[in-house]
Amino acid sequence: EAEVAQSPRYKITEKSQAVAFWCDPISGHATLYWYRQILGQGPELLVQFQDESVVDDSQLPKDRFSAERLKGVDSTLKIQPAELGDSAMYLCASSPRLTWNTEAFFGQGTRLTVV
Amino acid sequence: AQSVTQLDSHVSVSEGTPVLLRCNYSSSYSPSLFWYVQHPNKGLQLLLKYTSAATLVKGINGFEAEFKKSETSFHLTKPSAHMSDAAEYFCVVSALFSGGYNKLIFGAGTRLAVHP
Repeated sequence: EAEVAQSPRYKITEKSQAVAFWCDPISGHATLYWYRQILGQGPELLVQFQDESVVDDSQLPKDRFSAERLKGVDSTLKIQPAELGDSAMYLCASSPRLTWNTEAFFGQGTRLTVV
Repeated sequence: AQSVTQLDSHVSVSEGTPVLLRCNYSSSYSPSLFWYVQHPNKGLQLLLKYTSAATLVKGINGFEAEFKKSETSFHLTKPSAHMSDAAEYFCVVSALFSGGYNKLIFGAGTRLAVHP
């Protein structure tokens, strides 16, 4: 069964360092999402791509976060510099092409700890 | 605007007893609704979805949910809880936003504990 791949699974970084996460969606899925999930809370959408274009990044802290999906396939989310408050689970998800009745398929996530 | 409210942050049941996780939604049009489950340090797995067909939706692992438009609710139920059901559950609504794209709006989650 096809899965969304994320790496690394766990990352510990020091405050003010740069960190990057990678996501490979299910083959053929046009829509890709990055969510941040703080412990005890629901996922919050950071950025949503349709193919290689960003369609929603309203909640992305653009002074330190960036995301790209250059060829409309895999994607990288970067944080520079990392802050203590960035400690969270970062989830990537994909869907064939999000319409009103399409679910998203999630990866295992990357657990980030900033020390 | 679309939103979803999960009415209980924590639910505790005994193994073998029924489970009820409550979700209310707000939508300006006929919504699409989902329930996802998340086990510790794992990604989210789709349990079931409602897309305007049958109002009673059956999902995986014995879960089901009923869409009630008059009550704007989409509660998740299971007749008999199993220890492996202990997890976080999220109710999700699909929302149409500017630009003609849909996005998924998550509730805050309900943590289900199952006791022997």
